[in-house]
Amino acid sequence: DAGVIQSPRHEVTEMGQEVTLRCKPISGHNSLFWYRQTMMRGLELLIYFNNNVPIDDSGMPEDRFSAKMPNASFSTLKIQPSEPRDSAVYFCASSFTGDQPQHFGDGTRLSIL
Amino acid sequence: KNQVEQSPQSLIILEGKNCTLQCNYTVSPFSNLRWYKQDTGRGPVSLTIMTFSENTKSNGRYTATLDADTKQSSLHITASQLSDSASYICVVSAQNNYGQNFVFGPGTRLSVLP
Repeated sequence: DAGVIQSPRHEVTEMGQEVTLRCKPISGHNSLFWYRQTMMRGLELLIYFNNNVPIDDSGMPEDRFSAKMPNASFSTLKIQPSEPRDSAVYFCASSFTGDQPQHFGDGTRLSIL
Repeated sequence: KNQVEQSPQSLIILEGKNCTLQCNYTVSPFSNLRWYKQDTGRGPVSLTIMTFSENTKSNGRYTATLDADTKQSSLHITASQLSDSASYICVVSAQNNYGQNFVFGPGTRLSVLP
């Protein structure tokens, strides 16, 4: 089992650019979560999907953020346009169901200059 | 307001010693409580998950307790090892109209020294 796979591992880009983060959940898992982690705010849930359907996106900071899950094996988190305050580590996690232990990827470290 | 507090903020212990980390929460309606271990530069790894009816759960040298009446949980680490150095995050989930709302604690940074 390869675990949750995120790409890229690191991303450095200039403000105003579009950023797309990718996630492949563990096969067979029906729930997928996107998190953001910063020193100041810790871990924050941005959005989660159940069976490819967004269930709760109340954590998405603003309209510049969007997430999609076109199929059970792939999800994207997009920021457009990006701003320096978006700099953080973004984690994707998956689980069999929403109340089961979540398996995290190793994250994407995003730096917006 | 749903909130999770953890103490201490950081802790340094010697290898082989035991330690206990605390988590207090004001989250309702309570669904479950999770402890995660996060190594530097890695994603969190689940240690335990407890529902309302469970008051103790172990995972190797890690034992979590839950007192739903006082809304407190603890994570006890026995015979610590250097590899236990990490951040430990308490997460409490509440049921909402969408499913679950996850409230994260700020974490306790544990350093185990030889």
